[in-house]
Amino acid sequence: DAKTTQPPSMDCAEGRAANLPCNHSTISGNEYVYWYRQIHSQGPQYIIHGLKNNETNEMASLIITEDRKSSTLILPHATLRDTAVYYCIVRNTDKLIFGTGTRLQVFP
Amino acid sequence: NAGVTQTPKFRVLKTGQSMTLLCAQDMNHEYMYWYRQDPGMGLRLIHYSVGEGTTAKGEVPDGYNVSRLKKQNFLLGLESAAPSQTSVYFCASLRDNEQFFGPGTRLTVL
Repeated sequence: DAKTTQPPSMDCAEGRAANLPCNHSTISGNEYVYWYRQIHSQGPQYIIHGLKNNETNEMASLIITEDRKSSTLILPHATLRDTAVYYCIVRNTDKLIFGTGTRLQVFP
Repeated sequence: NAGVTQTPKFRVLKTGQSMTLLCAQDMNHEYMYWYRQDPGMGLRLIHYSVGEGTTAKGEVPDGYNVSRLKKQNFLLGLESAAPSQTSVYFCASLRDNEQFFGPGTRLTVL
């Protein structure tokens, strides 16, 4: 599985969009990009995933560059409850390999 | 639907003791996983299973054994606990592209 690189931490004002970047320059053609988040000490929660095209669901949007070497998770209107560690993962097998993620702090 | 449950929630062991962590899911998922998470770190995959009767090694399998005798249960065993195994253990099951995680087991080995 390809390795991902994420900034260790980011801040975002409540109500603004949070844009979390992820670099996966060694991604191969059949590997998907997944995003999970972990709030405090709970189990991680699935957010979204994609292969080539941009994706949107009720939680977030995922923008994948044309060369697929990087992606951005967008939380359009961040709330205090979005404060969490966000993990970007690339996967083409049966298993997810987590990195250290980005700690997003949403402030009032 | 209870989802993914883990037993126990907390446990303290002495070095050399053994124990088994139980993960149960009622969603009829084929794939199940055990992770550990150390303070300030991401999750690391210990073992996983792609179906009843199967198991496979993950990133950090040493010191652990697993069994999947029934589809709904995935057991993680520590035969001789060491302080380095102090961690939070998460179990997960997979449906399509989404992993569902349990609430975690906090294990301390003295």
